[in-house]
Amino acid sequence: DVQMTQSPSTLSASVGDRVTITCRASQSINSWLAWYQQKPGKAPKFLIYKASSLENGVPSRFSGSGSGTEFTLTISSLQPDDFATYYCQQYNTYPWTFGQGTKVEIK
Amino acid sequence: EVQLVESGGGLVQPGGSLRLSCAASGFTFSNYWMSWVRQAPGKGLEWVANIKQDGNEKYYVDSVKGRFTISRDNAKNSLYLQMNGLRAEDTAVYYCARDRVPMAVAGTPMDVWGKGTTVTVSS
Repeated sequence: DVQMTQSPSTLSASVGDRVTITCRASQSINSWLAWYQQKPGKAPKFLIYKASSLENGVPSRFSGSGSGTEFTLTISSLQPDDFATYYCQQYNTYPWTFGQGTKVEIK
Repeated sequence: EVQLVESGGGLVQPGGSLRLSCAASGFTFSNYWMSWVRQAPGKGLEWVANIKQDGNEKYYVDSVKGRFTISRDNAKNSLYLQMNGLRAEDTAVYYCARDRVPMAVAGTPMDVWGKGTTVTVSS
C-alpha cells in the first residue's frame, strides 16, 4: 500500500499567518493527490484535486503543489474558518490512502 | 441540492453483521463512482471501498476484504455496504462519498460526502 505521511501533525498559527502542510508518499503517485478539510463532528470538505487544482468554491488562499512523492498545501493568510484538520489522499493506486492528518490550531 | 444520507449504523456484537445504506439525491447517481470512507473515534480517515457506475468494478482496503461487500442499486439511487464478521476495530463513523467526475473510467477524489452513520462493535 502507498503510505502517506503528513507533517507536522499539529500546527499552531495565528489569523493572517501563511501556513504550509507537507504530505509525502512512500512511492510516486504522479499528481494524483487530493486535500480535504475536516472540522470536529463534520464530514470532510473537498479542497484540491490533482495536487494543485482548486475545487470550485474553495477560497483562493488555499493552494496545492507537488508531484511524485512530495506535496504541499498552503494557506496564504489563515482565516478563523480555517482552523481544522487537513488530510491528503492519494488516488493513484488501490487501496486509496489518507495521510494521518494535520490539525491547525489557534496559537 | 446534491445530498447523500447514510443509514443503518448501530451497535452490534463482534462477529455480527450490519448493512449500511446511502440514499443519493440531486444528481444522476448512475453516472458516478461511489465510495465508503470510515473514521474511527479520534482517528483519521480510512478509505474502505468504492464501486464503478455500473457496479462491475469494486475495490476494497485489505482489512475488510472478504468481510465487507459494496453494492449499488442505480434504480433506487442507493449505495450499500454489507458488513459481516464485524470486529471491534471496525467501530467508526462510516461516510458515503461521491466521486468528483461523472462518467469517469477510473475513480477520482470525493467531492460530496454524507454526514455519516456510526457503527459500534462491542459486546
